[in-house]
Amino acid sequence: DAGVTQSPTHLIKTRGQQVTLRCSPKSGHDTVSWYQQALGQGPQFIFQYYEEEERQRGNFPDRFSGHQFPNYSSELNVNALLLGDSALYLCASSEQGRGIEKLFFGSGTQLSVL
Amino acid sequence: QQPVQSPQAVILREGEDAVINCSSSKALYSVHWYRQKHGEAPVFLMILLKGGEQKGHEKISASFNEKKQQSSLYLTASQLSYSGTYFCGTRKGAAGNKLTFGGGTRVLVKP
Repeated sequence: DAGVTQSPTHLIKTRGQQVTLRCSPKSGHDTVSWYQQALGQGPQFIFQYYEEEERQRGNFPDRFSGHQFPNYSSELNVNALLLGDSALYLCASSEQGRGIEKLFFGSGTQLSVL
Repeated sequence: QQPVQSPQAVILREGEDAVINCSSSKALYSVHWYRQKHGEAPVFLMILLKGGEQKGHEKISASFNEKKQQSSLYLTASQLSYSGTYFCGTRKGAAGNKLTFGGGTRVLVKP
C-alpha cells in the first residue's frame, strides 16, 4: 500500500517565478492538508482540501493556492515566489469524518528560491 | 494559535527518561504527537482526546490535562532510535478541524 507521495522532491526557482507541487494521498484517504516547514521550525498549516474544495486556510497570502482532483490528489501552487518561500512543503492525507483523524505525511518537496 | 513546546532541546544517555510538554492557551479537542527524524517526514505517534487519557507507543507515553490544556510526552528508558524532533499538534474541534503544530523539541539520545 503506497503511502503519501509528493513530487518533485527538490526544486530550485528564482524570485518572481511560479511553482506547482503535487501530492497523491494514501490509498483510502480523501482529505489533503498542506504544510510549510521552515528549517528548524514546526510545520505551518497552509490549507486543507476535501471534496475538491478548500475547507480551511492558514495565515498564508493569496499567492498560495491549491486544487484537489476527483481522485483526491492535490496540487499546491505558489505565485510570485519570494526568498522567504524557501522551505520544505509537506503534504498530509487523512480520512474525513471519523473525528480522530491522524495525518500521514509525505516526504516533502524542498523548495529553494534564489 | 500555535501550541508552545518545552524544552526546545534535550540530550539524553541511552536508558534515561525525559518529559516534553505542550501547552495551549485555547481549549483543545485533541493533542497529537509526531516524531520527525532528520530528512524524513513526520511520523504519527499517538492521539490524546480531552479526558486525560494516557496513551502509549513502545516505551513512549503521553497524557493530556484538560484543565491546564497541557499535554506531556514521556520518553522512558530512551533508546537511540528515539532521537529526532518531537512535535505536538493541537486540534480545537472534531472532524475536519486543522492540526496546528508547535515549534518542536529536539531529542538526542547518546550511547
